[in-house]
Amino acid sequence: DVKVTQSSRYLVKRTGEKVFLECVQDMDHENMFWYRQDPGLGLRLIYFSYDVKMKEKGDIPEGYSVSREKKERFSLILESASTNQTSMYLCASSLPGMRETQYFGPGTRLLVL
Amino acid sequence: GIQVEQSPPDLILQEGANSTLRCNFSDSVNNLQWFHQNPWGQLINLFYIPSGTKQNGRLSATTVATERYSLLYISSSQTTDSGVYFCAGADGGATNKLIFGTGTLLAVQP
Repeated sequence: DVKVTQSSRYLVKRTGEKVFLECVQDMDHENMFWYRQDPGLGLRLIYFSYDVKMKEKGDIPEGYSVSREKKERFSLILESASTNQTSMYLCASSLPGMRETQYFGPGTRLLVL
Repeated sequence: GIQVEQSPPDLILQEGANSTLRCNFSDSVNNLQWFHQNPWGQLINLFYIPSGTKQNGRLSATTVATERYSLLYISSSQTTDSGVYFCAGADGGATNKLIFGTGTLLAVQP
């Protein structure tokens, strides 16, 4: 079974703090993704990576950066957290190719005060 | 970019009832998939269905690619079917980048 884990289920941070969300997958997948989920908006892609040290912006990259130093690990960084970044963050991974399923982690609920 | 619309936005069922969820795309998509998110937030892939019909137990899905829509059928619903159902498709780029709909929130009551 594919396993995708995220470093925290719940996180509370203050405005202006630097926040790290970590995602680890154990199936040697090339592709990894970070989404945020907000009520009424579905899932929106923040960043994705198709290889180590490779990254591409998704639909809403502003205020975020990412790091992929190892194949199994993909980190999402909020350089200076703001209240409008309060959300559910979901990580996913997949093999390359159009037909491949994305496997999701359990999500991190981030509250920025 | 491609727009994905799902209907209905919310649905309440009694246990044992059947339901149909719909997903419309504004343009042709590849890699059409249906996902279920349980009440604890875990998203699981239900179907990869770019065209045709597939069945898995009480769930089945049909995609009519030429008319840019997909349907998810839930028969004899159970309380464990509760959660949010998302459809998603890729826009044809080289990477497996999915565009998600806003979801259908399903509550199955005992």
